[in-house]
Amino acid sequence: AQSVAQPEDQVNVAEGNPLTVKCTYSVSGNPYLFWYVQYPNRGLQFLLKYITGDNLVKGSYGFEAEFNKSQTSFHLKKPSALVSDSALYFCAVRDGGFKTIFGAGTRLFVKA
Amino acid sequence: GAGVSQTPSNKVTEKGKYVELRCDPISGHTALYWYRQSLGQGPEFLIYFQGTGAADDSGLPNDRFFAVRPEGSVSTLKIQRTERGDSAVYLCASSRAGTYTGELFFGEGSRLTVL
Repeated sequence: AQSVAQPEDQVNVAEGNPLTVKCTYSVSGNPYLFWYVQYPNRGLQFLLKYITGDNLVKGSYGFEAEFNKSQTSFHLKKPSALVSDSALYFCAVRDGGFKTIFGAGTRLFVKA
Repeated sequence: GAGVSQTPSNKVTEKGKYVELRCDPISGHTALYWYRQSLGQGPEFLIYFQGTGAADDSGLPNDRFFAVRPEGSVSTLKIQRTERGDSAVYLCASSRAGTYTGELFFGEGSRLTVL
């Protein structure tokens, strides 16, 4: 069965600094990987996904993520954080079926 | 509207009562999912529909939970004999037809509180 781990409950970063939110996964087949963001009192929004091809994928709001097969990781990154990036971030994996499994989430706090 | 719509946004009920939560997916999306999100946790998969049929209901916690999608569009999640542990935000999502690679589009959720 597939699973996702987000080892950090919270990440704190100063505005303008680079940010990384970590994610590792476990699947039996080829992984399809996703990042979603949840702002307060809002539904989850899709940020980006890795299906195949380039290991570095770019998504919404300047976010990108790097797929590393050997380390089974899919870390979310942004070169320069904004206060408005403060939110709850979820990594998710699908292993070729239709079921998408989510991690527990990482709260990102960007300080001005 | 263009997005996934869920009603009610909030539901407070008493232990033992019956509850229905409704989801109206994005037009044309044949895949529909229900998730449950408890405080401080990620969304937990409940059930997946492809068209009218439940293709995977392995996440339903017990037989008090049931979901239908009779015409392949709107779906209703039904919870019988509610328990305090059922309190959570119930999320609905839809995606384009039959693809493993498509992202999910979520509604804003129905917050269920069982007293």
